[in-house]
Amino acid sequence: DSGVTQTPKHLITATGQRVTLRCSPRSGDLSVYWYQQSLDQGLQFLIQYYNGEERAKGNILERFSAQQFPDLHSELNLSSLELGDSALYFCASSASGSRTDTQYFGPGTRLTVL
Amino acid sequence: GQQVMQIPQYQHVQEGEDFTTYCNSSTTLSNIQWYKQRPGGHPVFLIQLVKSGEVKKQKRLTFQFGEAKKNSSLHITATQTTDVGTYFCAGQYGNKLVFGAGTILRVKS
Repeated sequence: DSGVTQTPKHLITATGQRVTLRCSPRSGDLSVYWYQQSLDQGLQFLIQYYNGEERAKGNILERFSAQQFPDLHSELNLSSLELGDSALYFCASSASGSRTDTQYFGPGTRLTVL
Repeated sequence: GQQVMQIPQYQHVQEGEDFTTYCNSSTTLSNIQWYKQRPGGHPVFLIQLVKSGEVKKQKRLTFQFGEAKKNSSLHITATQTTDVGTYFCAGQYGNKLVFGAGTILRVKS
């Protein structure tokens, strides 16, 4: 158990819909990262937040957005869902978000878009 | 863009045999990290290499970072069935961690 929690564990929805994935970092960690893992694209970095502010952006689509709240939990919003958005979405956290930080991954949310 | 190439994609070994996975970047990395993901699980951090030419060991696992900080390898000696999973390298480019495609390791007992 990494100490990072993600909800829900599974999510099944239809194309065109919008969903919100939630992540609670390890106690004391200030940085949260979101990743998408699919069979054809591997593990792709989406976005990083540090203490409520966006710190780095990866291959995140415009239909996706994220935020980190004052209590440091984070949400990833996915809208206008397409079949290709079906994937495992991981959240990770680290202490300070520096380049040499260890990232601790949560169990993931499996999103299925039908 | 930044990309980390990882080979092989898949390796099936007999228990007791050695295993190696390699990662290569076209540009210099700040550091490289290695993760293991068990089937159905999430990536778990194994180690980080920062210095040019660095070699680190964890029991049967040996990690190397190339002199030019562009390539890295993970070697497992005498694999066991508990080693099965996908091994990812992740190269640090500025503030972004870019993962390799992973090497799936299967071990026959």
